[in-house]
Amino acid sequence: SQQGEEDPQALSIQEGENATMNCSYKTSINNLQWYRQNSGRGLVHLILIRSNEREKHSGRLRVTLDTSKKSSSLLITASRAADTASYFCATEGGRNDMRFGAGTRLTVKP
Amino acid sequence: EAQVTQNPRYLITVTGKKLTVTCSQNMNHEYMSWYRQDPGLGLRQIYYSMNVEVTDKGDVPEGYKVSRKEKRNFPLILESPSPNQTSLYFCASSYGGRHYEQYFGPGTRLTVT
Repeated sequence: SQQGEEDPQALSIQEGENATMNCSYKTSINNLQWYRQNSGRGLVHLILIRSNEREKHSGRLRVTLDTSKKSSSLLITASRAADTASYFCATEGGRNDMRFGAGTRLTVKP
Repeated sequence: EAQVTQNPRYLITVTGKKLTVTCSQNMNHEYMSWYRQDPGLGLRQIYYSMNVEVTDKGDVPEGYKVSRKEKRNFPLILESPSPNQTSLYFCASSYGGRHYEQYFGPGTRLTVT
């Protein structure tokens, strides 16, 4: 079963706008990771946020984590056509496994 | 260049014909895992390995086998493939396990007819 669930499933915006994606999870975590996937390719790690962190930045990316609500958000500011991709959150499963959500498909129109 | 490689990248096979998808990493990572990706279901972990000779089942292990005889290699074996194993497969590795960044291979698209 999936641990993280992204919302929305798909998002379409204009270049220059901000894109926000959300992830909800079910059990306690030590950290949460966000990944990006260009169509059919391997995932690329974007950012890892630990359970004792509330916000983290990396370039145009901003990730927040609310452990009380078991949710995280990924904000991409000033989006570009090259940001078009699927974005996944990943968390730990119950053992040493990892769980990914189904992803948010982001389309940025030039 | 630090990377995870998978072979083959594309494979079409028939039901019941045993196959192996290889995975190799050159980063001396301890943790390696296999995922399958299906439309609408995201990535689901098949098996993972914490270190040499240590493997464990993920979410969807049925119909798959793995081995970890060397640190760098983690092959995925389908002893009797079936059409429901048609999928996009990814191998990944990380330095210290699931709490660290995962490095993904380019994927293997498998079709079982």
